[in-house]
Amino acid sequence: AQTVTQSQPEMSVQEAETVTLSCTYDTSESDYYLFWYKQPPSRQMILVIRQEAYKQQNATENRFSVNFQKAAKSFSLKISDSQLGDAAMYFCASKSNFGNEKLTFGTGTRLTIIP
Amino acid sequence: DTGVSQDPRHKITKRGQNVTFRCDPISEHNRLYWYRQTLGQGPEFLTYFQNEAQLEKSRLLSDRFSAERPKGSFSTLEIQRTEQGDSAMYLCASSPGLAGGRADTQYFGPGTRLTVL
Repeated sequence: AQTVTQSQPEMSVQEAETVTLSCTYDTSESDYYLFWYKQPPSRQMILVIRQEAYKQQNATENRFSVNFQKAAKSFSLKISDSQLGDAAMYFCASKSNFGNEKLTFGTGTRLTIIP
Repeated sequence: DTGVSQDPRHKITKRGQNVTFRCDPISEHNRLYWYRQTLGQGPEFLTYFQNEAQLEKSRLLSDRFSAERPKGSFSTLEIQRTEQGDSAMYLCASSPGLAGGRADTQYFGPGTRLTVL
């Protein structure tokens, strides 16, 4: 079984600044994927970034990057140059690469951008 | 390429009534998933299909819940004898699966918000 923990229910950041959202996970699998999804208010969930556990290099997508620490089972999301449109709930999720297709989500972090 | 669509977007029903939701996945996506999201929580997995075959069901999917994907395209989720505890957002997602691409990435629809009075 996989578990995902997001210990920050809410975070805020000044526009144009950098913010880091924390996520820890637990899994007995040797191969798995990790994801960050963004869910804006009253809008659908969209993928922000994904990381294959077998890759040591941290994933990057424009202003979004992760700090993947496999031994510590930590997967934090860094948002650089924060923009008003980044305001949303951010969910960390994991998925096994061995037959179990479900995503296991954390409880989310609500990010507020301060103009 | 249109995204995942769900219908209806909102449903209000009385306790004891049956409801049915529809999900249309991204074209040619082999895998389709249903999740339930309650207020303040992350989505929880309900079930998933590979083409028309339902391959996994969560223990959350009680006997009152049934899902189908008859032709491997759209899917329906039916809840019989609804209870107030069924009130939630029901999310559908699809992924390319064995068709290639980022088979492991799930793309979500806008959800159906169910309110049971």
